[in-house]
Amino acid sequence: GAGVSQSPRYKVAKRGQDVALRCDPISGHVSLFWYQQALGQGPEFLTYFQNEAQLDKSGLPSDRFFAERPEGSVSTLKIQRTQQEDSAVYLCASSLGLAGTTGELFFGEGSRLTVL
Amino acid sequence: AQSVTQLGSHVSVSEGALVLLRCNYSSSVPPYLFWYVQYPNQGLQLLLKYTTGATLVKGINGFEAEFKKSETSFHLTKPSAHMSDAAEYFCAVRVFGNQFYFGTGTSLTVIP
Repeated sequence: GAGVSQSPRYKVAKRGQDVALRCDPISGHVSLFWYQQALGQGPEFLTYFQNEAQLDKSGLPSDRFFAERPEGSVSTLKIQRTQQEDSAVYLCASSLGLAGTTGELFFGEGSRLTVL
Repeated sequence: AQSVTQLGSHVSVSEGALVLLRCNYSSSVPPYLFWYVQYPNQGLQLLLKYTTGATLVKGINGFEAEFKKSETSFHLTKPSAHMSDAAEYFCAVRVFGNQFYFGTGTSLTVIP
């Protein structure tokens, strides 16, 4: 597609429910990132993929968070047993990820998660 | 360790006045530097970037930024603010590998 597409744009979950957030990156982009953006804050790194390999998941806040990109394209961020502190906007970004490129990130519009 | 500091979480300017948003970074290696803009309920959009070469970089919508290594700064400026510039602005640094670090953002208000 022309840009990074995220769905759903808005998600309301009851505490304890599982949620899945989808990211469809720009076609051909090797690198894919997930960020968490709390209200009034900058994006905080969660995890990073190069193709299907998850190279860095150091930002995932707990083992309730899980991300995958099985075919090196679409990615899903899953949050199990949601808690109120998980309420945030989850941003997906992709980049060409090729050596020698500046690697700027192209962001989707985000998925706003509200946990009640 | 890498980090980005944006001084001033809120900046207000009058329409037509100079816009100056401050960004300082810490990095043990020469960084790539970026400014992104975020409009309400939207993702981040790249304004401009510094990689190598000319230290004054020009971006979209009349914005520019200057990389000053001695001051570890990458401040964003625009000579004349427009109402449509009201948004959240984020400075980011990319160092070795693909890790990006973002500042906490500066909210720009333009007063008519």
